[in-house]
Amino acid sequence: EVQLLESGGGLVQPGGSLSLSCAASGFSFSSYVMSWVRQAPGRGLEWVSSTSGTGSSSYYADSVKGRFTISREYSSNTLFLQMNSLRAEDTAVYYCVKPGASTSWYVFDSWGQGTLVTVSS
Amino acid sequence: IQMTQSPSSLSASVGDRVTITCRASQSVTKYLNWYQQTPGKAPNLLIYAASSLQSGVPSRFSGSGSGTDFTLTISSLQLEDFATYYCQQTYITPPTFGQGTKVEIK
Repeated sequence: EVQLLESGGGLVQPGGSLSLSCAASGFSFSSYVMSWVRQAPGRGLEWVSSTSGTGSSSYYADSVKGRFTISREYSSNTLFLQMNSLRAEDTAVYYCVKPGASTSWYVFDSWGQGTLVTVSS
Repeated sequence: IQMTQSPSSLSASVGDRVTITCRASQSVTKYLNWYQQTPGKAPNLLIYAASSLQSGVPSRFSGSGSGTDFTLTISSLQLEDFATYYCQQTYITPPTFGQGTKVEIK
């Protein structure tokens, strides 16, 4: 069974940094693209970033480019999102997501429970 | 690519047939997916590639369309279907979602 368990959310001041983690299990971690999707309170879904199975290719939403970095650690099957220069508009629940097929990038059939990031002074 | 759903919300009764539409600002061919989200939960994939039913999803859900215009149909609304539905295009990076359609109990 696929399991994605996010951690690392919390309250941070504007301009601050936070690192999110996602512990993955139940599938071949290195074979799948992994992504982060966020949802601001009461709002819709927004794709944030994706990284290939090998980690050699990564993509970012324009809203986070240059501030966020996605990475993965294969020894622990963990996906990370390093978030710097945080803004109030980054406040959201951040979901770790996995596609259903190893050949797919963005058809997300597995989602974590989400971790809340609040950027406020 | 901008995705626009209509309506933004609707009220319906158990047993009703419900249709939600999604329009893309340019063609996404068949790269269109639908998700369901209930309050406090993560989204759940319902339909992928415009019309393919995800494993485990009830057959009352169906999708159709291609190019720029798509529909999600629930043939007979059940209590557990009251939720928010999102379309998503995966034709071009960045993948983008519609703003959501909230299905409420009449």
